[in-house]
Amino acid sequence: DAEITQSPRHKITETGRQVTLACHQTWNHNNMFWYRQDLGHGLRLIHYSYGVQDTNKGEVSDGYSVSRSNTEDLPLTLESAASSQTSVYFCASNAGGIQDEQYFGPGTRLTVT
Amino acid sequence: ELKVEQNPLFLSMQEGKNYTIYCNYSTTSDRLYWYRQDPGKSLESLFVLLSNGAVKQEGRLMASLDTKARLSTLHITAAVHDLSATYFCAVDRDDKIIFGKGTRLHILP
Repeated sequence: DAEITQSPRHKITETGRQVTLACHQTWNHNNMFWYRQDLGHGLRLIHYSYGVQDTNKGEVSDGYSVSRSNTEDLPLTLESAASSQTSVYFCASNAGGIQDEQYFGPGTRLTVT
Repeated sequence: ELKVEQNPLFLSMQEGKNYTIYCNYSTTSDRLYWYRQDPGKSLESLFVLLSNGAVKQEGRLMASLDTKARLSTLHITAAVHDLSATYFCAVDRDDKIIFGKGTRLHILP
C-alpha cells in the first residue's frame, strides 16, 4: 500500500545544530508540504513543492529550507536549530488534482534544548 | 492573504446533543477540507468540498460549503464519546493549503 513516512519520529537536538527531517511518500504525488503544529496555532505551512526542483516558502519559512531532487522525498532542514523551533512537524502530499485530499505522515516531534 | 478562522476553538458537549463547528475563510478557494486529529496522532481526512452548496455526510458528521459566504460548517448529530478529537478545516488555493487553528471537541459520556 502507498504511504507517507517520516523519520525520525522523535528528535532532541541542541541550539545551533543543523537538523534534517526526512519525508518519503510512495503515492507518486507531485505536491509535498511541511507543516509545524504548535498549541494555539494549529498547523502552519513551512515550505511546499509542486514537483522535482520546485520549492516554495509558506507562512513560517524563516530558519527552514527544503530541496526536492526526486518525486518521493522532501527533506526539511533546520539550518541552525532554535528553541522556538521545538514543535511537531508533519509532512503531507497530494496529487493536486480535483477532489484530491492531502495525506499526512505520522509526524516528527522535535525538541531543541 | 488567505486566512482561515474556526469557531469555537474548544467545545465541551454532552452525548446525544447536536452542534456545529464553523469555518470562515478570507479569499476565494479551490477546495475546502475537514480533518480529524486524535491526541498524539496524525491528521485523518474527513471531507473534501469543492463547490457551492456541496454537502457530504459520513455517520454523525455532515459538512457543507457556502462559497459565497466563504463559510463551511461541520455538523455533529447526536454526539457520541468516540467523536472526541480536534477538528481542523483547511482551505486550498492554487494547491497551497492553509489550516484553521482547530476545534477541540470533548464529548462527555
